[in-house]
Amino acid sequence: QKEVEQNSGPLSVPEGAIASLNCTYSDRVSQSFFWYRQYSGKSPELIMSIYSNGDKEDGRFTAQLNKASQYVSLLIRDSQPSDSATYLCAVNRDTGNQFYFGTGTSLTVIP
Amino acid sequence: DVKVTQSSRYLVKRTGEKVFLECVQDMDHENMFWYRQDPGLGLRLIYFSYDVKMKEKGDIPEGYSVSREKKERFSLILESASTNQTSMYLCASSFRQTYRLRDEQFFGPGTRLTVL
Repeated sequence: QKEVEQNSGPLSVPEGAIASLNCTYSDRVSQSFFWYRQYSGKSPELIMSIYSNGDKEDGRFTAQLNKASQYVSLLIRDSQPSDSATYLCAVNRDTGNQFYFGTGTSLTVIP
Repeated sequence: DVKVTQSSRYLVKRTGEKVFLECVQDMDHENMFWYRQDPGLGLRLIYFSYDVKMKEKGDIPEGYSVSREKKERFSLILESASTNQTSMYLCASSFRQTYRLRDEQFFGPGTRLTVL
C-alpha cells in the first residue's frame, strides 16, 4: 500500500466550477499535510498546508482534513484556466522530516 | 521569500561522466532533499540531509551520492551517469520538525538532466 494515494485523473472542470481533489494516506501518525501545484515543466509550488481536522481556507482554495478517515482534500472554487496543473498531496509523518508525496492529480479547467 | 536555487536548468551529459548538481537555499533551513521526478512515478526521494555533514538514504539512493559541507548547500553526485538517470532533479529544503507548523518543503526550479 502506498503511503499517499491520489486519483491520477485527468480531472476536467468548466471555468467557474468547483474542482475537488482528494488524497488518502496510510499512516495514522501523520501530522502535517500539504498541497502543491505543479505546472508542466516547473517545480512544485506550495499552495496550502493543514495540520488540524477541519477546513482551512485561503482565497479560492480550501483544504479539508479528516484524520479519522485519513483523508485530505483540496477544493478550488471559481476554477480558472490558470489553475490547470498537476496537484500533489504530501504528508509529513512524525518521525524524521521525510515527506511522502502522491503521484499527483492532473486538473484541466476548460474555458 | 524562501529561495532555493539549482545550478543548472538543463544539463546534457554522456554515459559514464561524473555529474554534479548543486542546490543552495537562503532560509537557514536545516533539512535539504534531493528528488527525481519521472512521468507516472511521481517524486522519489534520493537522499536527504538534516544537518551539515549528515545524510540519509531515501528510496532510490543507488548510483547517487551527496555532499553537505555547508548548511546552505547540498550537492547531488552521479558517480557514473547512465541513461536511466535521465530525469528531472528537484532540490527542496525545510526547517527541522521541531519548528512545528513551519515544516513545509520549498522546491528549487529543477534540473532536467539528459544522459546520452
